[in-house]
This record gives sequence, structure tokens and C-alpha cells, in this order.
Amino acid sequence: GAVVSQHPSWVICKSGTSVKIECRSLDFQATTMFWYRQFPKQSLMLMATSNEGSKATYEQGVEKDKFLINHASLTLSTLTVTSAHPEDSSFYICSASAQGSPLHFGNGTRLTVT
Amino acid sequence: GENVEQHPSTLSVQEGDSAVIKCTYSDSASNYFPWYKQELGKGPQLIIDIRSNVGEKKDQRIAVTLNKTAKHFSLHITETQPEDSAVYFCAANRRGKLIFGQGTELSVKP
Repeated sequence: GAVVSQHPSWVICKSGTSVKIECRSLDFQATTMFWYRQFPKQSLMLMATSNEGSKATYEQGVEKDKFLINHASLTLSTLTVTSAHPEDSSFYICSASAQGSPLHFGNGTRLTVT
Repeated sequence: GENVEQHPSTLSVQEGDSAVIKCTYSDSASNYFPWYKQELGKGPQLIIDIRSNVGEKKDQRIAVTLNKTAKHFSLHITETQPEDSAVYFCAANRRGKLIFGQGTELSVKP
């Protein structure tokens, strides 16, 4: 149980384009989903928290207009990196939890912006 | 806000030995402390967790201890195996947010 699926697992895009990453909870309803970014050999940094049907809450220093988050249902959240630049290249990981349950992570999306 | 410090950053042990990773947290309101194992190119996998009303929890070769007074918690892996090699992260949860430590790269040598 508690499977979180993330798609795509890797993506290469050109500078200036936008990329959408999907995060799905496969066997439970996720009241809250989180998006993290991880640079090589570093820890996971929380970018934003999204609750189904409401606006995401962004961490300090994260541009909400650049990283658009939509949590339209209890099983799906999307992160769109708009006008991507090479410095946005990173490993993006989503996580999800049901109320009162541990947090489970997807397998991440490796984004490379050329 | 919460700050989580994790040590050591790298740890090398011989197969069969024990490994201990330690974390400290700053916010006394934190009430949940999970540990994750991350293999290369994959997302973190929950391996064990502990809540603030418990001092110790064990699951086969893995155990976690929590000292609320000192605000530190530790991961203990006994009888280590090569497949335990990975990066381990501790985390502290306050108000629904998980804040991660810096990670420990564990290498188990056969």
C-alpha cells in the first residue's frame, strides 16, 4: 500500500519552455501533497505544500509564478516549471499523505534544462 | 522554524557491523520523526518512524531512539548488509511539514 507515482521519471527541455510533472497517490486519497527539490548530494528542500482544492503554500524563496502547483483531486497534484532555465535543473520529488498517516514519496523526476 | 542537523555525513562499515546515525532538532513542538533511505536516482523510502510519545521503536535490524529532552534521535542498523548501502535522511515533522537533515551516505563493505 501507500504507493505514490510520479511521471515522468526524467525530462529534458529547452530553456524557456515549460514542463509539467504529475504526482499521483495510487491506493489512497492524499489530503496533502508536498513538492521537494533535491540538488546532487544535497538534502530535500521543501518547495510547497498543496491541499486538495485550495491554493498551494510556498516556502520562502520559492517563486510561485515559476513553479505552478495544482492539486485538483485527492489523488493528483501537478507541478509546472514555467519558462525553465538551466538553473532549474534538479531532481523534483513529490510526496503524499492521508490524514494522520506517514508521508510517502514518489520516485522523483530528473529535470534537465538545456 | 525547525532545523535538523544530521551526523555523520558519510559512514563506512564492514558487513555485519552496526551503523548509527544521529540527528538533532531545534523545535520542541516537533512530534514525529521518520527516517528515509534513498537509493541513487530514486525517491526516499520510509524505513522507520517514531512519535514523540515513544522513546524507542524497533523493526527487525532497524531501531530508532528518541530523547525529547535533549532533542535528538538516532537510527541504529544492526548486522549491516551491502544492500543497506544508500543515503539515509532523518526528518522532523512540525505542523505537517517534514524538515530533513543533510543526509548520511552509508557504505557497507563486504
